[in-house]
Amino acid sequence: GENVEQHPSTLSVQEGDSAVIKCTYSDSASNYFPWYKQELGKGPQLIIDIRSNVGEKKDQRIAVTLNKTAKHFSLHITETQPEDSAVYFCAASRYNNNDMRFGAGTRLTVKP
Amino acid sequence: NAGVMQNPRHLVRRRGQEARLRCSPMKGHSHVYWYRQLPEEGLKFMVYLQKENIIDESGMPKERFSAEFPKEGPSILRIQQVVRGDSAAYFCASSPVSSSAFGAYNEQFFGPGTRLTVL
Repeated sequence: GENVEQHPSTLSVQEGDSAVIKCTYSDSASNYFPWYKQELGKGPQLIIDIRSNVGEKKDQRIAVTLNKTAKHFSLHITETQPEDSAVYFCAASRYNNNDMRFGAGTRLTVKP
Repeated sequence: NAGVMQNPRHLVRRRGQEARLRCSPMKGHSHVYWYRQLPEEGLKFMVYLQKENIIDESGMPKERFSAEFPKEGPSILRIQQVVRGDSAAYFCASSPVSSSAFGAYNEQFFGPGTRLTVL
């Protein structure tokens, strides 16, 4: 089955700096890769996702890149703000397969 | 369009009691997933259901745990004879089945979770 590894487990940056979180996956058939943001006491919120037919996707300050050959994908947050502080989870699944596997999470702290 | 709703938000049970967690998916969503999250850990898949059908329960313990998604009403995750190790946050997610040229994909939208504490 799929195994998703996420690094780093904690990340602290200064406001305005960039943050990068990386994930690797094991199932070469995985082709859907969402990223979730979880604030304290809340459920995970989908912030961006990428499908295997593209290598990069951007939405304002957030971008995700996918390298299918190397089986890794990354989340990039630019111009970080204190409200970006949260736990971020990557995940991977196949189309037509609802068994989505999550990484262990990265706790991002943005210092003002 | 209301999001995924879960209740109760907090549930306290004594060992041996039963816990019932409810999830109402987003309007138009016919797929429900349950996940468990221990403190400082990621989300662990438990079960995936469609209306009146359990599609995949490979992540759910065989004993004491059961789930249903009836034709009418919310999905229910039921834990019988709870033990302290069941203390966790339980999240429900729902998805439509959206089709593209690449097949159906499953954007999952999460509820706020139920935090179960077993005393």
